[in-house]
This record gives sequence, C-alpha cells and structure tokens, in this order.
Amino acid sequence: DSGVTQTPKHLITATGQRVTLRCSPRSGDLSVYWYQQSLDQGLQFLIHYYNGEERAKGNILERFSAQQFPDLHSELNLSSLELGDSALYFCASSVKALGGTQYFGPGTRLLVL
Amino acid sequence: AQSVTQLDSQVPVFEEAPVELRCNYSSSVSVYLFWYVQYPNQGLQLLLKYLSGSTLVKGINGFEAEFNKSQTSFHLRKPSVHISDTAEYFCAVTEGRGYSTLTFGKGTMLLVSP
Repeated sequence: DSGVTQTPKHLITATGQRVTLRCSPRSGDLSVYWYQQSLDQGLQFLIHYYNGEERAKGNILERFSAQQFPDLHSELNLSSLELGDSALYFCASSVKALGGTQYFGPGTRLLVL
Repeated sequence: AQSVTQLDSQVPVFEEAPVELRCNYSSSVSVYLFWYVQYPNQGLQLLLKYLSGSTLVKGINGFEAEFNKSQTSFHLRKPSVHISDTAEYFCAVTEGRGYSTLTFGKGTMLLVSP
C-alpha cells in the first residue's frame, strides 16, 4: 500500500458525459501527478500540481482539467468523453516539487461506452 | 526531450532462472532513473531508483539494477525469479533535480512459469 488513495476504482459512463476522479496523496506529500495508461499510448504524464499550483503539463487534452485543493487532495475532470478516453488513470504523489520519488495510487479504470 | 526504450515487450522465463529486463534512455542532461512493477489489476509499485552515487542499486524483492552512463542503460536483474514475479515492469526517467515529470517506457511483461 503506497498510501495514495484514488476513488472510484471503476467508472463506466457514456460518450459525451463528464466525470471526476479523486486522489488523496500520502500524508505530508505536497505534489500530485496524474497519468493516463492506455493500451496504445502506454503510461503518459498528464499534469502536476504542487501545493495547489499547477507546475507542469504533459499530454493533457483541453477537455481535461485538474485542480489541487487546500487539503492537498486533487481532482481530475474529464468532459465530453470519447471512446478513446477509456483508460486507467493513475495519481501519484511526492514530497518535493522537483525530483522527488513518486508513489502511485491503485488507479481508476474508466470505461466509456 | 527525454525518452525511454524497453527493448523487450515480453520476457518468458522459468522459475529460479535469472532474468534481465533491458532499459535504455536518451537525455541531454543528467537523469534520475526508476523501475516500477505493476501486478495484474494493481497500481505501480516502486522497485528501485537511481538518483546518484553507486551505479549498482538494490531494490525490493531481490531485484537490482545498474546505471551505465556511457551506454545510457539501466537494466534490471534478478538472479532467481519466482512465479510471484510475474508482472509488468516499467522503466522511467526524469531529468534530474530540476524536473518533475516521469517519462515511462512501454513496459516489459515478465512471464515466469514453473
């Protein structure tokens, strides 16, 4: 158990819908990262927040957004969902803003029908 | 930009045999390197990491990896595998202290059979 929690574990929804994925980092960690794992793209970095502020953006679609709240939990919002958004979404956390070891949560499996 | 190549998508091996999973990276600056393991239907677990210092890094579950700067490699090894080591293994790189994002390889599926 990494100490990073993600909810829900599974999510099934329809195209065009909007969903919110939630992540709670390890106690004391200030950084939260979001990754997408799909069969064709592999593991891809989406976005990084440190202490409430966005620090880095990767291959994140404009239909996706994220935020980190004062209690340090983070939410990833996915809107106008398409079939291709079906994937495993992982959250990771670390203590530092830069160069810290990232610890991953169990993931949320999203299926868009 | 950094990139990671895991040369083998699948490595079949018999129980108690040694194994090496290969990882090569490209980067124009100094790097930190990681190996993560993903068991079926689970998240990623950190196996080991290289930040600096000794190039031979020991991790959990009897795994070790060696950083070779001249060959830009970070191969993962275990002298004797168990059935329970069956999982997908990911090599990842981040460009040292000034960066935060991890770039992952495509993964290597280690299949251990009796």
